[in-house]
Amino acid sequence: DAEITQSPRHKITETGRQVTLACHQTWNHNNMFWYRQDLGHGLRLIHYSYGVQDTNKGEVSDGYSVSRSNTEDLPLTLESAASSQTSVYFCASSAGQGRYTEAFFGQGTRLTVV
Amino acid sequence: GDSVTQMEGPVTLSEEAFLTINCTYTATGYPSLFWYVQYPGEGLQLLLKATKADDKGSNKGFEATYRKETTSFHLEKGSVQVSDSAVYFCALSAGSYQLTFGKGTKLSVIP
Repeated sequence: DAEITQSPRHKITETGRQVTLACHQTWNHNNMFWYRQDLGHGLRLIHYSYGVQDTNKGEVSDGYSVSRSNTEDLPLTLESAASSQTSVYFCASSAGQGRYTEAFFGQGTRLTVV
Repeated sequence: GDSVTQMEGPVTLSEEAFLTINCTYTATGYPSLFWYVQYPGEGLQLLLKATKADDKGSNKGFEATYRKETTSFHLEKGSVQVSDSAVYFCALSAGSYQLTFGKGTKLSVIP
């Protein structure tokens, strides 16, 4: 079965370190997204990609970067981790055909910056 | 810009009670509307959807009707179960492939 997987599931890192969260999907979807989930804010879009070599900034992109070298993967990098980036991160993908854009989500990565 | 407003919880109900979670939206263009559910420790999964006015999405006993005149997409279930305890997110997609989410409503169902 097709799926979307995130790794690691849990990560503790120190302030100032570079951290990369992995996202891998086997749906062969063109669209991939990174969200962060915080209490009182719901899900907010960090970065997204509509295809290989395409990346775009979302609502809360400062301090994050992504790259898309193939269809399956969209790693999220925190350039210099800050305590404000402690959050649960979700990766999602969608086929994006027409107006019906159901997204499939990974199980999330809980990141703690100390 | 696009936005989704949903009632903030938490909501606590007894088993077999009626559930309504309100959701209203603001969007440019003609959005598709979704309800996603997040069970404890898991990612989000699509619960139901509607892509045009007056469409009714339904799944697992949950229903929501796309009301363009009131820009609403309220989630309802006639008789909730303990297993329905989760966080529910209303979302829209309008003209792009991105989803805009509400803040989520935590539902707890007690026996």
